[in-house]
Amino acid sequence: KAGVTQTPRYLIKTRGQQVTLSCSPISGHRSVSWYQQTPGQGLQFLFEYFSETQRNKGNFPGRFSGRQFSNSRSEMNVSTLELGDSALYLCASSFAGAAYEQYFGPGTRLTVT
Amino acid sequence: DQQVKQNSPSLSVQEGRISILNCDYTNSMFDYFLWYKKYPAEGPTFLISISSIKDKNEDGRFTVFLNKSAKHLSLHIVPSQPGDSAVYFCAASEQGSYIPTFGRGTSLIVHP
Repeated sequence: KAGVTQTPRYLIKTRGQQVTLSCSPISGHRSVSWYQQTPGQGLQFLFEYFSETQRNKGNFPGRFSGRQFSNSRSEMNVSTLELGDSALYLCASSFAGAAYEQYFGPGTRLTVT
Repeated sequence: DQQVKQNSPSLSVQEGRISILNCDYTNSMFDYFLWYKKYPAEGPTFLISISSIKDKNEDGRFTVFLNKSAKHLSLHIVPSQPGDSAVYFCAASEQGSYIPTFGRGTSLIVHP
């Protein structure tokens, strides 16, 4: 079974730009969650999509948004990038939901200059 | 305010010995707990979980213990192997919520 894939793996953007990250979950998983990992804050939950609907959202500003397609693939968008958005963005898929066993992708390393 | 705390940023253990990683939580509504392991340049990998109706769950060399009264869980790795060297995260969630809260991780180094 193929694992969770994320593209691109690395990205460099400048302040004010926007970025779209992509995630393909494990086949059969309808839940896709996104996390931001930074050295100071650890792994922080951004949002979860389940069957194309956002089921939960973490405490992040509205500049962070996402969507899920009918094939369960998900995209995350960050608009008006700030320096503090530099982080590793992880996607995880699950059969039952974000609170249960999840399978993580390798992440996208975003650097904002 | 951190609801899930891993107070030891790092732990060093000799190969063959026991590794004990600790996690404390403050939210008494948490009822499901998980441990993940993360190698550099990879995403976290699920290790083991435990529901609040149990106080112990075992999977091979990995055992998780839950002490609800102390709001404390621990992961025991016996025997420790150099390949276990990684960052370990504990996570917790409330019943009915699909939002996991992660600790900041403990870096385990197992020396040959």
